[in-house]
Amino acid sequence: DAGVIQSPRHEVTEMGQEVTLRCKPISGHDYLFWYRQTMMRGLELLIYFNNNVPIDDSGMPEDRFSAKMPNASFSTLKIQPSEPRDSAVYFCASSPTRDREETQYFGPGTRLLVL
Amino acid sequence: RKEVEQDPGPFNVPEGATVAFNCTYSNSASQSFFWYRQDCRKEPKLLMSVYSSGNEDGRFTAQLNRASQYISLLIRDSKLSDSATYLCGVYNFNKFYFGSGTKLNVKP
Repeated sequence: DAGVIQSPRHEVTEMGQEVTLRCKPISGHDYLFWYRQTMMRGLELLIYFNNNVPIDDSGMPEDRFSAKMPNASFSTLKIQPSEPRDSAVYFCASSPTRDREETQYFGPGTRLLVL
Repeated sequence: RKEVEQDPGPFNVPEGATVAFNCTYSNSASQSFFWYRQDCRKEPKLLMSVYSSGNEDGRFTAQLNRASQYISLLIRDSKLSDSATYLCGVYNFNKFYFGSGTKLNVKP
């Protein structure tokens, strides 16, 4: 299995621009998670989906952030407009189930730098 | 108060040393516990789950103390390749919470 795939791997943009991050989960996994990691705040859950439906978006920082999952094999996280404080590594992870014996598999991440 | 807290370190130890990390969690109803390893500029990867009775995987031993609400990771005979950041993960009420990680440097 190819694992969780994310693109782009690196993104440098200017403040005010729209940024779209993409994720392809592991085939057959029912859950998809978006995380953000910074030195100051560590790894934070932004939103997660179950069977393509957003379940909990309480971690989304503000209205500038939005996420979609139009089908079982694709999700996007969009930031519009972007700000320098959005600079971070954004990870997508997927999981086959919420059973306690299962856990999450992370993608390689997208390193975002907003100038 | 954060859901999960860890000492950020770094822990600097010589090869062959035994090192232990703790991670505390705030919600006593937390259901599942994990240790992840994250190499520099890489994604977190599951190292091991933590079971109530404690569990061992080679040089790594994980333990759970529900009364004091912490989990621990013990690494014996540490290797240079163990150098990484170790994140603890806690699952409760359909959410995963991660600590900020403890950095380990194993030196020759």
